Amino acid sequence: QVQLQESGPGLVKPSETLSLTCTVSGGSMNGYYWSWIRQPPGKGLEWIGFIHFTGSTNYNPSLKSRVSISVDTSKNQFSLNLASVTAADTAVYYCARHSNSGTNPLDYWGQGTLVTVSS
Amino acid sequence: EIVMTQSPLSLPVTPGEPASISCRSSQSLLHRNGYNYLDWYLQKPGQSPQLLIFLGSDRASGVPDRFSGSGSGTDFTLTISRVEAEDVGVYYCMHALESPRTFGQGTKLEIK
Repeated sequence: QVQLQESGPGLVKPSETLSLTCTVSGGSMNGYYWSWIRQPPGKGLEWIGFIHFTGSTNYNPSLKSRVSISVDTSKNQFSLNLASVTAADTAVYYCARHSNSGTNPLDYWGQGTLVTVSS
Repeated sequence: EIVMTQSPLSLPVTPGEPASISCRSSQSLLHRNGYNYLDWYLQKPGQSPQLLIFLGSDRASGVPDRFSGSGSGTDFTLTISRVEAEDVGVYYCMHALESPRTFGQGTKLEIK
């Protein structure tokens, strides 16, 4: 059973960089795409971007200037960096795996981690 | 980007009764391969979202057959044939046709 676990600081100061890591267990990262999704408190879901296990990336244009996703398959991890954060970036951040079938839907999700942007 | 619009946003349902959620996209999600690039997710209270339906109508592994997806192009529907108490939560549609993937606003299903 594939499991994903987000980790990183729960509090980030405005203008700083939010950094999170997703650790994958119970399966290999090889052959799959991996995404970050966020959810502001009480609101809906926003796709941030994904990375292929080979390192190729695709980002949401609304965040593209500030976001970077990287992968380390030797550690079974992928990471999110979001620069110049503001209070609007306060959200629960989820990592997820894309299935290899059909629409490549998000078939495994982490439990999510709340990141608050505040001084 | 493709805009996804769900209705209703709130859906009170009596257990055992059917329920339907509509999802409309601002452009067709019908790929040239003949498949609709539309997924449905359920976020139960306090949990991460879970995949219910992909390709518009294919149930994900382990999803009860009371859940079904239908529609094509820009109009899609998620139907629960007989709602159970465990079905409460927020349902989201999401397109998978291009980047960026976008979600509907969510439909909150509650038990009457």
